[in-house]
Amino acid sequence: QVQLVQSGAEVKKPGASVKVSCKASGYTFTSDYMHWVRQAPGQGLEWMGIINPRGGTTTYAQELQGRVTMTRDTSTSTVYMELSRLRSEDTAVYYCARGSRYMDVWGKGITVTVSS
Amino acid sequence: QSALTQPASVSGSPGQSITISCTGTSSDVGGHNYVSWYQQHPGKAPKLMIYDVDNRPSGVSNRFSGSKYGNTASLTISGLQAEDEADYYCCSYSSYTGSSTRVFGGGTRLTVL
Repeated sequence: QVQLVQSGAEVKKPGASVKVSCKASGYTFTSDYMHWVRQAPGQGLEWMGIINPRGGTTTYAQELQGRVTMTRDTSTSTVYMELSRLRSEDTAVYYCARGSRYMDVWGKGITVTVSS
Repeated sequence: QSALTQPASVSGSPGQSITISCTGTSSDVGGHNYVSWYQQHPGKAPKLMIYDVDNRPSGVSNRFSGSKYGNTASLTISGLQAEDEADYYCCSYSSYTGSSTRVFGGGTRLTVL
């Protein structure tokens, strides 16, 4: 079955960077896009960006341009999301989700806490 | 870009029907037929309920339906059940910035009375 397995929780200090991963299985990795979506505590969903695993092309949310980088490793069917210059407002659960027009399979989420 | 506009909360009794609206602009909801809806229970990942405005994924109850008119999309849940109590989010493809991005609604908490 299609699965997205995400890496473990992270705790970072303000100003640092975090890189989280999402390993796909159960389908052809390069056949579909992958989104990253985050959710701050008690808040709604925020779209962060999308990567095409086939060519590695990306589109990011305007609000995160310059701080977010999405990459992929086709040899391990894994996508990565790195967020730099972390601030407290980046504390959230970060999800990867497969799809292009819509997101049909979601990972369980990674909690990233930014605290001094 | 601003989030799509959803009511903060809706409620209904078991067996009733409710509708959640999702209002955007001609750059997102009104300009593309790529609206999707997600259900999220507390502490869980979102689940796809409707895609491309009015299509249901395999395994989703036919009590869930979607529609769109102009810049507003809607999710209707008929025959409300206790397990429908959750947060619901709409999401749309957007060409607002000139790139192909996505935008979520602020979310609607559904309470089954």
